[in-house]
Amino acid sequence: DAGVIQSPRHEVTEMGQEVTLRCKPISGHNSLFWYRQTMMRGLELLIYFNNNVPIDDSGMPEDRFSAKMPNASFSTLKIQPSEPRDSAVYFCASYRQGEGAEAFFGQGTRLTVV
Amino acid sequence: KQEVTQIPAALSVPEGENLVLNCSFTDSAIYNLQWFRQDPGKGLTSLLLIQSSQREQTSGRLNASLDKSSGRSTLYIAASQPGDSATYLCAVRPMDSNYQLIWGAGTKLIIKP
Repeated sequence: DAGVIQSPRHEVTEMGQEVTLRCKPISGHNSLFWYRQTMMRGLELLIYFNNNVPIDDSGMPEDRFSAKMPNASFSTLKIQPSEPRDSAVYFCASYRQGEGAEAFFGQGTRLTVV
Repeated sequence: KQEVTQIPAALSVPEGENLVLNCSFTDSAIYNLQWFRQDPGKGLTSLLLIQSSQREQTSGRLNASLDKSSGRSTLYIAASQPGDSATYLCAVRPMDSNYQLIWGAGTKLIIKP
């Protein structure tokens, strides 16, 4: 398997623009996370999906952030409008619940909002 | 509330040495514990996963142990190499929320040639 695939790897956008980050989890995994990593706060869980259903979105910073998982092989994280403080590395991770539950991470999307 | 601590925050050792990285957690009711490495500007790579019923796991030069009663896990790296330089993170999955990962802040390891 190719692992968790995220796109784009890098995104530079102007404040106020809409940003969409994409994730393809490992085939057969039924749980998916979106994380944000910054130097100041480390890894923060944004949202957790199980079987394509959002279970915990308490980490989503505010209404500007939204996430979807329309099917088992694709998820998006959207920021609209983007702000400079959203600059961070965003990771997607997946695992198959119940079978060791080992989490695998994508390479991340480095977002810079100027 | 589960808390995970990794000490030291940074470690620098000469190539060839065996070394131990530490991870401690406050609540022993865990589902599993996972060790990751992160290279600068890269994603997190899973190294070892230890289930709550296991005491240790091995992969190549890496050995991870788990002692739930004392709330500790160690990652042992044998015969360290410059390519082992990275940040090592441990994450605990608590029993009361078996999808959450509670993260340590990581240990930045530098192996000097």
